Amino acid sequence: GNSVTQMEGPVTLSEEAFLTINCTYTATGYPSLFWYVQYPGEGLQLLLKATKADDKGSNKGFEATYRKETTSFHLEKGSVQVSDSAVYFCALSRSNTGKLIFGQGTTLQVKP
Amino acid sequence: GAGVSQSPSNKVTEKGKDVELRCDPISGHTALYWYRQSLGQGLEFLIYFQGNSAPDKSGLPSDRFSAERTGGSVSTLTIQRTQQEDSAVYLCASSLAPTLGGSITGELFFGEGSRLTVL
Repeated sequence: GNSVTQMEGPVTLSEEAFLTINCTYTATGYPSLFWYVQYPGEGLQLLLKATKADDKGSNKGFEATYRKETTSFHLEKGSVQVSDSAVYFCALSRSNTGKLIFGQGTTLQVKP
Repeated sequence: GAGVSQSPSNKVTEKGKDVELRCDPISGHTALYWYRQSLGQGLEFLIYFQGNSAPDKSGLPSDRFSAERTGGSVSTLTIQRTQQEDSAVYLCASSLAPTLGGSITGELFFGEGSRLTVL
């Protein structure tokens, strides 16, 4: 079946450090891939997405590239800020219903 | 505000009791989803409503769980005879109809969730 696997957290970084959160997926066909973020006390919100192989999604300094050959969609940011502290969820969608399959989430803590 | 609204934000109940969780989606969003977020389990899909179509109930974990959506707007998730393993945060999300390209983009708008604790 379809599934998403994320690296386990928590990830603790100092401000301005480079961030990578790994995400790999298992799916038939060509899913769309997403990163959602949940800031403390808030609901999940879409961070970025990619709908086909080699697409790069980007937003707020975060990037992720859809790699079909490695079935991956790793999240990266060159210089994290304290305000990036949140839980990050990788997700895929295999249909046009919008039904998403999520990974377990990775908690990021950025210290000043 | 104009976001997805869920109530109650916190619910503590005793094992065996029934609970109802409410979701008020964004106005104009015809698609509505329920997810469950358990500690260490990520987000688990429960049920999906789209307009007047039959709901996709494939994620409901047992027949103790049910949901309805009245008038294509507000939704209620009901858990009967609650068990301790039902303790989780129940998240509701809404999106535009697929025909408008909404849900295809993956932009689901989530509420802040209802935290259920079963003692």
